Amino acid sequence: DIQMTQSPSSLSASVGDRVTITCRASQSISSYLNWYQQKPGEAPNLLIYAVSTLQSGVPSRFSGSGSGTDFTLTISSLQPEDFATYYCQQSYSSPFSFGQGTKLEI
Amino acid sequence: QVQLVQSGAEVKKPGASVKVSCKASGYTFSNFGITWVRQAPGQGLEWMGWFSAYNGNTDYAQKIQGRVTMTTDISTSTAYMELTSLRSDDTAVYYCARCRGTRCNNFDYWGQGTLVTVST
Repeated sequence: DIQMTQSPSSLSASVGDRVTITCRASQSISSYLNWYQQKPGEAPNLLIYAVSTLQSGVPSRFSGSGSGTDFTLTISSLQPEDFATYYCQQSYSSPFSFGQGTKLEI
Repeated sequence: QVQLVQSGAEVKKPGASVKVSCKASGYTFSNFGITWVRQAPGQGLEWMGWFSAYNGNTDYAQKIQGRVTMTTDISTSTAYMELTSLRSDDTAVYYCARCRGTRCNNFDYWGQGTLVTVST
């Protein structure tokens, strides 16, 4: 099974900050890497798929990059609504595992 | 608009079974797969498996293989996830989500979640 490891597990930041979250796969997953945002009490929401493609309706301050085993999610200028937990997920091979999550806090 | 509406919360005793439904609307149900993800209280997301609308195949996580069955009813655009021999560590919010792509490449629309509590 492919293990997904995110860092950091939690992150304190302020409105306007630039933030980067890292996700590492235990083996190469090509470009089969997605990012989800989850707010408390809500279902996850797809932000970015295939490493860098923004899901429809997602603000352009979100971006993704990487390939192989190392990937990043960047938020260029944090907005109040961005404080949430972020998960990476691989869809290269079953089981389609998630990272443990990164909680972004004020 | 695409919507996935799940059935309500359940309380079950250890050893019992639970069947969660996920009714889809706003798209052609048979053109997309459905995946299931669960989240234990205060924990991260755990992928459980998915049902392919293309060939009717299922793919389950090894951890729950043998206890889980995912099905769909195309006539009502509803997906089901049944989990048997429930244990306390099955207590979680269970989500259905629409699979995009023939390989379930990503999950673009999600249900609201169904809390399943396993307790004596």
